[in-house]
Amino acid sequence: AQSVAQPEDQVNVAEGNPLTVKCTYSVSGNPYLFWYVQYPNRGLQFLLKYITGDNLVKGSYGFEAEFNKSQTSFHLKKPSALVSDSALYFCAVRDMKQGGSYIPTFGRGTSLIVHP
Amino acid sequence: DGGITQSPKYLFRKEGQNVTLSCEQNLNHDAMYWYRQDPGQGLRLIYYSQIVNDFQKGDIAEGYSVSREKKESFPLTVTSAQKNPTAFYLCASSTLGDTQYFGPGTRLLVL
Repeated sequence: AQSVAQPEDQVNVAEGNPLTVKCTYSVSGNPYLFWYVQYPNRGLQFLLKYITGDNLVKGSYGFEAEFNKSQTSFHLKKPSALVSDSALYFCAVRDMKQGGSYIPTFGRGTSLIVHP
Repeated sequence: DGGITQSPKYLFRKEGQNVTLSCEQNLNHDAMYWYRQDPGQGLRLIYYSQIVNDFQKGDIAEGYSVSREKKESFPLTVTSAQKNPTAFYLCASSTLGDTQYFGPGTRLLVL
């Protein structure tokens, strides 16, 4: 079975400071990991994904995520937060094992609030 | 929101009424999905389809129905059997197992 956890319902950060939104996962095989962002009353937008290769993945809007296999984590990061980054962030995972589902499992979401 | 559209943006349902939410994509994706989003509960999968004329139930299919007669279209009907339909509904499409692209959503309210 595949699962993903976002341990923080809300993250608060001051504008200009670095931000981290946490995500941990559980799969039987290798993970296929995604981050999405949702602004109020909008659909989700894709930010970045990890399949294999370099553990540091760069994505849209200056975001990046670090894959850590030993800690089964895929934390989203940004060196300098903007007020406009305030949104709901979702982590998702799909188990790449043979015969596994192609449907990803989403976390419950983390609300990021960037204060001016 | 890419090449996937949902309509209407807001939908009002009366007691005992069936309503249909539209989802269309021009991304040539085989797979399409319907999710329900309630505050604080993340996304819950209602139905999904990986090919025309075939679809499978997700985690919360009761009270909902779908059809997939065309590759581009995956409408969702919220039936009168769904007793708590008020939510934000999101449609998505993808190539199998890859990045999902989401529509702008439909907010369903009960009168």
